[in-house]
Amino acid sequence: DTGVSQDPRHKITKRGQNVTFRCDPISEHNRLYWYRQTLGQGPEFLTYFQNEAQLEKSRLLSDRFSAERPKGSFSTLEIQRTEQGDSAMYLCASSPRTISYEQYFGPGTRLTVT
Amino acid sequence: AQTVTQSQPEMSVQEAETVTLSCTYDTSESDYYLFWYKQPPSRQMILVIRQEAYKQQNATENRFSVNFQKAAKSFSLKISDSQLGDAAMYFCAYRSGREYGNKLVFGAGTILRVKS
Repeated sequence: DTGVSQDPRHKITKRGQNVTFRCDPISEHNRLYWYRQTLGQGPEFLTYFQNEAQLEKSRLLSDRFSAERPKGSFSTLEIQRTEQGDSAMYLCASSPRTISYEQYFGPGTRLTVT
Repeated sequence: AQTVTQSQPEMSVQEAETVTLSCTYDTSESDYYLFWYKQPPSRQMILVIRQEAYKQQNATENRFSVNFQKAAKSFSLKISDSQLGDAAMYFCAYRSGREYGNKLVFGAGTILRVKS
């Protein structure tokens, strides 16, 4: 069990560019979540996958955001036409399909839009 | 919609002393779970303790315990015998008990500083 991993850890991009982040959950965890955390705030839910199905999306996830989880393993989060307001830490978490409901978090990807 | 409020932006505690972090929440659901997560500087978030709403007994994990007051919708975290390694941002979080209501709703966090 190597934990949840995210890549890259840091991303600096210019406004208007597209960026893509990757999350590798703990193996055999069928639930995967994306959250966004701005400085000094708690994480806010973006979207949730159970296996490859995207079951819930937050209203925070505008049309410029898209997430996928092909084959129910790793997931990608893409932001198109980035804006300065997109600067944040993007956290990924996974959990098993058990009653425990604990979510295990990755280290996050810090995005800076200049 | 559920909300979680942490009214203490920052707390300080002397090493070996006890500190209590406050959390209140608002929900109309009767089945839910409450969590305290710890986020050390530049490190990933880890679960500290979990409380199921249907359990009357307060959860305890070593030096960490909670005071769960369901009627008051209060969920405080007590850290006993504080250690330097406890210094971190602490988040209170709520999760619905519904099968597919999986998202965590977080408070704004409390920075805990531990003085040696």
